[in-house]
Formats: sequence, C-alpha cells, structure tokens
Amino acid sequence: QVHLVQSGAEVKKPGASVRVSCKASGYTFTNYYMHWVRQAPGQGPEWMGIINPSGGSPSYAQTFQGRVTMTRDTSTSTVYMELSSLRFEDTAVYYCARGLCSGGSCFFFDFWGQGTRVTVSS
Amino acid sequence: EIVLTQSPGTLSLSPGERATLSCRASQSVSSSYLGWYQQKPGQAPRLLIYGASSRATGVPDRFSGSGSGTDFTLTISRLEPEDSAVYYCQQYGSSPKVTFGPGTQVDIK
Repeated sequence: QVHLVQSGAEVKKPGASVRVSCKASGYTFTNYYMHWVRQAPGQGPEWMGIINPSGGSPSYAQTFQGRVTMTRDTSTSTVYMELSSLRFEDTAVYYCARGLCSGGSCFFFDFWGQGTRVTVSS
Repeated sequence: EIVLTQSPGTLSLSPGERATLSCRASQSVSSSYLGWYQQKPGQAPRLLIYGASSRATGVPDRFSGSGSGTDFTLTISRLEPEDSAVYYCQQYGSSPKVTFGPGTQVDIK
C-alpha cells in the first residue's frame, strides 16, 4: 500500500532554513506528482508547490517564490522541501501529498504523509 | 485569485441526519478542479471528492458532491459518529494554483 513517511519535528530560529523529507513507497515513485501543503495552527491547508519526480522544474505558489526549493532523489524515492528565511508565521505542520490526476491536471491529493511540525521560535 | 467561502461555519446534527455543506467560489471554477477533504484532529486531510462529484477510493457512498460554476455542495446523507470532522473544499486554477476554503466543522450530537 501507499506510504509517505516524513522526517521528524524541527525547531528553528527566525532567519534559518528547514529541510523536510518525504519517502514514498508502495507505488512507482516517478508516476505521480508530489505536492507540499502546510497548515498553521487552527488554520486551513495552504498549498506550497508541486514537483514531478520524473524531472522538470518544480512549480511554487507565488507566496513562497524565492524562499522554497523542492527536490527529489529517485534512487531513494524521496522528495525534499527546503524553506529558507524562516519567520514566526512559518510555524506549521508541513505535509507531502501525492497528486491525483483528474480532468488533465494533478492537483488533488489522494495520499498524505503524517506531517512534520516546524516551530519557528527565538 | 479565486477565493473559496464555506458555509455554515459549524454544523451540529444528530446521527442519521443529512448534512449539506456549501462551498462558493469568487469566480467560476471548472467542475473538474473542485475537491472536498475531511480532516480529523491530529490527522492529515483525507480526500473525499474530486472533480466535484467523483468519490475517492474507499469513501463511503453516503458522501456525495455536486455543483458547478461558483456553487458546490458536499452532502453526507446519513451522518455517522465518525463523520465528526472539519471539511474543506479545494480548487485548482490560476496562480496561486491551489486554494482551500476556511472549512466547515461538523459536530455529531
């Protein structure tokens, strides 16, 4: 069965960077896009961007342009999300989520990782 | 930017009752690009409906989606205690490419 397993919780200071990993198993890694979605405490989900594990450039939400980098390692079926210049308001749970394709686009999320809590604190 | 508005904010119903959740978009959304998620405390969201009306794998048939244009609905035909959760609608469109609504809290009495 499909599993997305993320790295553990992080505590970072403002201005630092954080890197979260997401290891996929149970399906062909290169056949599905992967997304990153975050959720601040008490808020709804917020989409951060999409990466194609087969290659090509990731696409990022405008909100995160210049601060986020998504990469993949096909040898380990792992995707990574790095967020730089962290601010207090980046405190959130960060999820990877597999893309489900419908109507010619792959922007629904059918399997999710368990989430990684990132706390930005001085 | 397409903004999604959900109503009501909270819905309190009894087991066996019907729940009707609304999602309204600030601009027309292609039905192909509208989805619904369920989220329970401490868990990741779960995809229920995609393409406005297609049930995701393993989703009970008491969940159904409908609508077009700017008005979409998630209906839970016979509420079960385990349906207590927050429900989010989500759309894919022009940048930002994906947005979620603020959610509807469904409480089972």
